[in-house]
Amino acid sequence: GEDVEQSLFLSVREGDSSVINCTYTDSSSTYLYWYKQEPGAGLQLLTYIFSNMDMKQDQRLTVLLNKKDKHLSLRIADTQTGDSAIYFCAERNYGQNFVFGPGTRLSVLP
Amino acid sequence: SQTIHQWPATLVQPVGSPLSLECTVEGTSNPNLYWYRQAAGRGLQLLFYSVGIGQISSEVPQNLSASRPQDRQFILSSKKLLLSDSGFYLCAWSPGQGGSPLHFGNGTRLTVT
Repeated sequence: GEDVEQSLFLSVREGDSSVINCTYTDSSSTYLYWYKQEPGAGLQLLTYIFSNMDMKQDQRLTVLLNKKDKHLSLRIADTQTGDSAIYFCAERNYGQNFVFGPGTRLSVLP
Repeated sequence: SQTIHQWPATLVQPVGSPLSLECTVEGTSNPNLYWYRQAAGRGLQLLFYSVGIGQISSEVPQNLSASRPQDRQFILSSKKLLLSDSGFYLCAWSPGQGGSPLHFGNGTRLTVT
């Protein structure tokens, strides 16, 4: 079946870049998404990429997609304390459902 | 613009009591609607999704049920809550076509005591 995997924890220093990685198994994935969840809140859509793209940049966020290896990454430049949150990778195929990874808890150290 | 409303924000219920969580979407028509549950410190589990009024698909067998009485209203219910039903419940919607992403409500924190 479909599966999305992420490392569970990441710690970085304030001002450094953060790279959150994600792998997925469904080769028919059409869109891949990154969501951010702050404590006690719902998931906020950060960005998404179509599977025929290999990179998308939006201000401090850069998404890289390696379709051959089924690997997705989210790079946050100049990481701030406000970036501390759980980041979820998700994929969607031609169906109506989304498959989420377990989430990566990003801790930004001063 | 589209908005999603989910309530209540927090709920404490005793074991064996009924449950009703409500979600409504504004500013769109015929959305796909979803209920997810997130256990403490864990990922998302899809519970139900609906592509239209009265059309509900269940992903996980349990003592919860969902209904969609109106196009933009999605309700999660239980007749008798279990301790294991505690968690963070999230409603979400998607336009359904193409690569449209999911948009989430603010969630309901349910504690069953």
